[in-house]
Amino acid sequence: GAVVSQHPSRVICKSGTSVKIECRSLDFQATTMFWYRQFPKKSLMLMATSNEGSKATYEQGVEKDKFLINHASLTLSTLTVTSAHPEDSSFYICSARDAGRDFSYEQYFGPGTRLTVT
Amino acid sequence: GENVEQHPSTLSVQEGDSAVIKCTYSDSASNYFPWYKQELGKRPQLIIDIRSNVGEKKDQRIAVTLNKTAKHFSLHITETQPEDSAVYFCAASIIGGNNRLAFGKGNQVVVIP
Repeated sequence: GAVVSQHPSRVICKSGTSVKIECRSLDFQATTMFWYRQFPKKSLMLMATSNEGSKATYEQGVEKDKFLINHASLTLSTLTVTSAHPEDSSFYICSARDAGRDFSYEQYFGPGTRLTVT
Repeated sequence: GENVEQHPSTLSVQEGDSAVIKCTYSDSASNYFPWYKQELGKRPQLIIDIRSNVGEKKDQRIAVTLNKTAKHFSLHITETQPEDSAVYFCAASIIGGNNRLAFGKGNQVVVIP
């Protein structure tokens, strides 16, 4: 149980284009999902919190117009990197909290998406 | 906001020995401290967690200890095995809604057979 998927696993795009990454909870409902960027030295940087049916909450320093987040259903959140640049190349990983365990902090992670902007 | 520091960044241990990783946090209001394990090419997975009302928690070969006064918590792995080789992330809860977590930079643990 508690499986999270991400699609695509890898994507290469040209500078200036936009890329959409999907995060799905497969066997549970997730009112809250999180988007992280994982840097080469392994740290997980929280970018934003995605809330079903409402606007995402962005961490300080993260451009909300650059990283568009939509959480349209209880099992799907999407991250769109707009006007991508080479410095946006990174590993993006999502996680989800089980809505049925409202007091739990546990997050279930997706497998991540490797974005390369050329 | 919450700031979580982990050290050492890399730890090599002989198989069978114990490994200890320490994390410090900055916000005394944090009340939840998980440890995640990420094997090469795989997603992070929760291995153990502790809440602020408990000082120690064990699960087979792994344990976590919490010192709220000093604002640090540690992961202890005993009788290490090659499959324990991975990156270990500690985290602390961020106060302010949504049950967010602030992660440390991760520790690479290498178990030498």
